Amino acid sequence: GESVGLHLPTLSVQEGDNSIINCAYSNSASDYFIWYKQESGKGPQFIIDIRSNMDKRQGQRVTVLLNKTVKHLSLQIAATQPGDSAVYFCAETAYNAGNMLTFGGGTRLMVKP
Amino acid sequence: DSGVTQTPKHLITATGQRVTLRCSPRSGDLSVYWYQQSLDQGLQFLIQYYNGEERAKGNILERFSAQQFPDLHSELNLSSLELGDSALYFCASSVAGTGKIGNTIYFGEGSWLTVV
Repeated sequence: GESVGLHLPTLSVQEGDNSIINCAYSNSASDYFIWYKQESGKGPQFIIDIRSNMDKRQGQRVTVLLNKTVKHLSLQIAATQPGDSAVYFCAETAYNAGNMLTFGGGTRLMVKP
Repeated sequence: DSGVTQTPKHLITATGQRVTLRCSPRSGDLSVYWYQQSLDQGLQFLIQYYNGEERAKGNILERFSAQQFPDLHSELNLSSLELGDSALYFCASSVAGTGKIGNTIYFGEGSWLTVV
């Protein structure tokens, strides 16, 4: 079946640097994408979302980019902090799937002080 | 704190037993979702309810069932438990049932189920 996947299972960055976490999706019908952050022992925490009629959306220190042509999603974190260390998941859904989110496998972000 | 409350946080039970996981959605949210997270399967969608009615079904086993009550809380029932059912079970909620900006899906802290 179609699924959402991630290129890099682990990303290690220096504190203060920018982080980029990538995600590939395969369902061309997907029209809503979300990034979640999951810290150890906690539930996924909403970071930012984007609809398919947008190619960029910014939040506080985070930016999500969507390239529908190549079915690629990325999460950019500016000035990465130790508190950003977590597993990041991208998730996608299509309008006709209700809100059934399909999650990628996750990328672990490790921030070195 | 997402506002989604799940109980119990941890549960250890034997194979063949039945357990019930409980979820209280965020105030005002009508949709409740159940997800299973295991090491080898990642986050898997199980089932969604909207205002008391089943809205979508994912990879939920026949041994599992769920319901959403008039007060909008939900329960996930897991029966004839097997070792492989050991996982983290998440409940999530959202205001509506369609994905759109503003209809964010918020997750609870999860219920750790260990089957021995």
